[in-house]
Amino acid sequence: GAGVSQSPSNKVTEKGKDVELRCDPISGHTALYWYRQSLGQGLEFLIYFQGNSAPDKSGLPSDRFSAERTGGSVSTLTIQRTQQEDSAVYLCASSSGLAYTYEQYFGPGTRLTVT
Amino acid sequence: QKEVEQNSGPLSVPEGAIASLNCTYSDRGSQSFFWYRQYSGKSPELIMFIYSNGDKEDGRFTAQLNKASQYVSLLIRDSQPSDSATYLCAEDRDDKIIFGKGTRLHILP
Repeated sequence: GAGVSQSPSNKVTEKGKDVELRCDPISGHTALYWYRQSLGQGLEFLIYFQGNSAPDKSGLPSDRFSAERTGGSVSTLTIQRTQQEDSAVYLCASSSGLAYTYEQYFGPGTRLTVT
Repeated sequence: QKEVEQNSGPLSVPEGAIASLNCTYSDRGSQSFFWYRQYSGKSPELIMFIYSNGDKEDGRFTAQLNKASQYVSLLIRDSQPSDSATYLCAEDRDDKIIFGKGTRLHILP
């Protein structure tokens, strides 16, 4: 079956521009996560959506970052006024959201380069 | 700041030997723990999860959890060159999955 998809796979943007990154989770998965991974680093939690609950935004690094999830499915991560330190791979993951079934399925990521 | 700590490595292990990866966590409220494997340039994939004290075995992999000492470990028996990757430890913290920075494992042929 289809896995988690993300688009674009690569994005090069100029400093100060806004970017939108898209995640399409596995059908039926209620939980969706965004992470950021800088070169050679671990995964930095950004935001978590679970069903219709208010998202957990505690990992967003600044108010330039926002995310939404429409209809409990597709999610968009928006970065406004991009900075060079925003350059990283942005990973999306989804899971079924069932108790004790936390396996996350990751998408291929979007590599963002801010010049 | 509650952290998930891992030695960044690299950890070099001869082929066929046992690789031992360790992780400590500071949030005593965390209940479930995960080991992910990430090949260079690829996304993480789940190897094991564990939520009970003790050992959990799956093929060549054994996860160990000690909640009193707040550590989680992953043992890889009969290490293969294909096991060379970064291994990420993660905890379920209030339904958020929080990752450590990972340990690079290199299996020497």
